[in-house]
Amino acid sequence: GIQVEQSPPDLILQEGANSTLRCNFSDSVNNLQWFHQNPWGQLINLFYIPSGTKQNGRLSATTVATERYSLLYISSSQTTDSGVYFCAVFNQAGTALIFGKGTTLSVSS
Amino acid sequence: AAGVIQSPRHLIKEKRETATLKCYPIPRHDTVYWYQQGPGQDPQFLISFYEKMQSDKGSIPDRFSAQQFSDYHSELNMSSLELGDSALYFCASSPSTTAKQQYFGPGTRLTVT
Repeated sequence: GIQVEQSPPDLILQEGANSTLRCNFSDSVNNLQWFHQNPWGQLINLFYIPSGTKQNGRLSATTVATERYSLLYISSSQTTDSGVYFCAVFNQAGTALIFGKGTTLSVSS
Repeated sequence: AAGVIQSPRHLIKEKRETATLKCYPIPRHDTVYWYQQGPGQDPQFLISFYEKMQSDKGSIPDRFSAQQFSDYHSELNMSSLELGDSALYFCASSPSTTAKQQYFGPGTRLTVT
């Protein structure tokens, strides 16, 4: 099945710093989503981005499907950005999401 | 905008008891997915339904069963609960069965004591 690898596993930042999170996947995909799981456990949709680039405020994402990776950029990080960031892609049947192990981000003031 | 609704949000059960989790998808979404997230783990796919029929099955224990009803809501039934079933259970919905964005509910936190 499709493998999803995220890096780095952990990231510690000072408030105001920028960061880049990476997601590699082992096969071609037609769905890729980025999520932020907050400390209360809620999974928040950030981007649905099977290809191309999208921006939403301080966050942006780029997926290069032909090279099987996606990047999530966080600029001017805030303490509320802390949590776990998951990348997820559809399995080959297109019937379920396969999640990476996540990147745990800690932003301190 | 309407979101996926899950109930209850928190549930505490004892070993060997049963639990029923409910999911109400976004209106006009015909596909529902269930995921289980253990402590410190990533969400794992359990089962999905499209138009009230099971469309795919993941690592769902035989003690668990699920169905989707005529109004598209779904229920996950869990019997003979074990300590290891303690987890966050997410329901997600999408407007079709393939290659579409999934929208996640807030989750049900199940604690088995």
